[in-house]
Order: sequence, then C-alpha cells, then structure tokens
Amino acid sequence: NAGVMQNPRHLVRRRGQEARLRCSPMKGHSHVYWYRQLPEEGLKFMVYLQKENIIDESGMPKERFSAEFPKEGPSILRIQQVVRGDSAAYFCASSRFRGPYEQYFGPGTRLTVT
Amino acid sequence: AQTVTQSQPEMSVQEAETVTLSCTYDTSESDYYLFWYKQPPSRQMILVIRQEAYKQQNATENRFSVNFQKAAKSFSLKISDSQLGDAAMYFCAYRSEGNRDDKIIFGKGTRLHILP
Repeated sequence: NAGVMQNPRHLVRRRGQEARLRCSPMKGHSHVYWYRQLPEEGLKFMVYLQKENIIDESGMPKERFSAEFPKEGPSILRIQQVVRGDSAAYFCASSRFRGPYEQYFGPGTRLTVT
Repeated sequence: AQTVTQSQPEMSVQEAETVTLSCTYDTSESDYYLFWYKQPPSRQMILVIRQEAYKQQNATENRFSVNFQKAAKSFSLKISDSQLGDAAMYFCAYRSEGNRDDKIIFGKGTRLHILP
C-alpha cells in the first residue's frame, strides 16, 4: 500500500519562474492538505482540498500561489514568479475522511529559488 | 486562534536514558486532538503519538508516553530507553475536533540529539 507520493523531491527554480509541485494521496484518500516548512520552523498549513474543491485556503498567500485537486490525477501546488522567500519544504498530507483522522504525510518537496 | 509552543529548541540525552520534551498550547476549545510528530533527517513526518482531549488517560506507544495536563494546557512527550534512532526533530501539534477546522497547527520543534 503506497504512501503519499510527492514529486519532485527537489526542485530548483530561478527567480521569476514557475514551480509545480505534485502530490498523489494514498489510495482511497480524497482529502489533501498542503503545508509549508521554512528553515528551522514547524509546518504551516496552506490549503485543504477535496476532489475538485478547495475547502480551506486560509493559509495560502493571496498572490502567486494556487492549488488544485482534479477529479483525475494528483493535487498540484503552483507557485508563479517564485521569489527567494518561497524556498522551503512543501509537504502534502492526505486522509480518507474529513475530520480528526490521521493525516498521512508525504516526503515533501524541497524548493530552492536561486 | 490556537497556538502551540515548544520552548526547547534543542535537547540532548544519553542513549538508554529518559528524556521529556515540553509543549504548551493555547485554545478556547474544549474538544481537540494533540499529536507528537517525529521528523528524522529524511524529513518524512512520522506520527509518534496522539491524544484526544476528552480522554483523561495519557496515551502510550511503546517507549513513548505523554503527560497531558488539560487545565494547564500542557502536553509533554517522554521517551524512555532512548535509542540512536530517536534522534530527530520532534513537533508538537494541535487539531480541532470535528469539521470546524481541518488544519494541524505545529510548534516550532525540538531537535533531539542522542549521545552514544
């Protein structure tokens, strides 16, 4: 039973480029959460999605960031016109149901903006 | 808004000894969940232990146990018989009960070193 998969594991982008991070939830999971971890910090919530719906995006920066979870395929976190401050580890988690059920985390994508 | 505070950025413990990691939180809710996550150098987030706020009994998972003090809003993690593989960042985390709020709120972490 494969866990949450994220790719790429490492991504290097120059300032101004776009970054696309992918997350495939565990089999049978239809709830996806994105978190960001800045250096020496804890994880901070960004967005919660169900298939084709954004449920809570209260942690998403207002500009340049977007997320989707289409009916088919992985969830995508998209960062346009990246800046150095976007350098961080981005984690995806999934759960089978909504509610206080365990969120299973992926290995993260480390984004470096040069 | 809920907050989670870990006041110990780093700790060290001798192998086979016991260590306690501290965590306090702030919330106005009465029902919630608390977690300890481990993040080894691989950066994979691993759930160590989970506590439901309505349960008075402290959760235990093998060598890991918690001291949950609801009135004091304190949730410490005790690791007994420390092993080299326990070296990692440990994050205390909070989640509201039900569907009010789906996100997990993390503390800044405590880096645990195990001395051979």
